[in-house]
Order: sequence, then structure tokens, then C-alpha cells
Amino acid sequence: DTEVTQTPKHLVMGMTNKKSLKCEQHMGHRAMYWYKQKAKKPPELMFVYSYEKLSINESVPSRFSPECPNSSLLNLHLHALQPEDSALYLCASRQGGANEQFFGPGTRLTVL
Amino acid sequence: AQSVTQPDIHITVSEGASLELRCNYSYGATPYLFWYVQSPGQGLQLLLKYFSGDTLVQGIKGFEAEFKRSQSSFNLRKPSVHWSDAAEYFCAVAGGSQGNLIFGKGTKLSVKP
Repeated sequence: DTEVTQTPKHLVMGMTNKKSLKCEQHMGHRAMYWYKQKAKKPPELMFVYSYEKLSINESVPSRFSPECPNSSLLNLHLHALQPEDSALYLCASRQGGANEQFFGPGTRLTVL
Repeated sequence: AQSVTQPDIHITVSEGASLELRCNYSYGATPYLFWYVQSPGQGLQLLLKYFSGDTLVQGIKGFEAEFKRSQSSFNLRKPSVHWSDAAEYFCAVAGGSQGNLIFGKGTKLSVKP
């Protein structure tokens, strides 16, 4: 299994809602990543988890809250988002060392 | 500082023609280099990677890339483009202890019939 899955595929939420994005991989990878991608731009790194611990937070606003319950699962909890947070949210995983990142299909988020 | 430059924002080629997408990087040590492809609204798919060894690397879908240290380049090539190759292409270098990817701004490829 060389796949990273993300749910949901699409999400529409109001600015007062609380929602979560989910990412899962069963490749035994020890590093997992959240990226945000706006239209016509490259992905921007948000968070990195290494061995289930948050190792990098790229100064992301606190309305985004990551969680890594176990080595296969990565969540991104969303609360009080702004319309400018609308984007494609990508999850990726990596075995570690000299290895590539595998990306999921993304969640298309729209904040109204 | 580490960086990746893709000089071409948009390239249009005819189906069956050859393709070269340019990528230049700035990195202090031996770089780990990647090319990813992204179709609209989709995730990124790895086309190929360079870590060490042979400077000409083969990837999926008939793509290849050549690492040239003297030119700090990692250009992507394909001898004959298919309409299904139309997509956004990102060059990236891995930096930092967490293997973070530093992306170029991307090159959009359009294919004319």
C-alpha cells in the first residue's frame, strides 16, 4: 500500500464552524506533513510531525490545530476560519532519511 | 538560503513534440531533487528524484531529468508529449532535518492537438 488518503474530498464551512480534516497512511512512514495550496501557487508547508511529535509549525494561526493520534493518522482541526483560508489542503508522508514525500489527493476547503 | 527557480510560468507544446522544463536550485550541500506533477484539483505525484549517482534519472510516464551540478540545474525532459501530460509541474529540493520540500513556483504545461 503506497497511498496517502485524505477525507473529506471537499468541505464547505462557515466562519463559526468547527471541522476536521483527516489523513491516513499505512506505509510505516514516520514523518507526516500538512500543506496549504492556493490556486496557481506551490504548496506551502504548515506543520511537520516526526515520530508522532510536532517538530515544525510554520507560524500557522492557532485556528488551525494539528493532531497526530498515532503513526498512521494525522488530523487538522479547524475553528473560526476566515474566507482567505479557502484552499487545497494536502497531506504528505515520508519514510525518513533520503526519501521522497508521498502526497494525498487533498481536501478542497471553502470557507464562507 | 535554499531556493528553487522555475523560469517558465507557462509552456505550450504540440502533441508529439519534445519537452524540456527548466529548474535551477540553490543549495549548499548535495541536493535531493524532485519533480512532481499535479493535475487540476489533485494531489502531487512524484515523477522522479535524484539523490546521488547517475546524473540522468528516469521517471514514470516516460520522463527523465538530468542533474548538472555545474549549472545548478535539474531539467525535466520528455521526447514526445501526450495530451494527458497537460498539468502543473513542480521542481523541489529537500532541505532541513525534516526533509522539508522547497518548491519552485511551478510550470503549467499546455498541450496543443
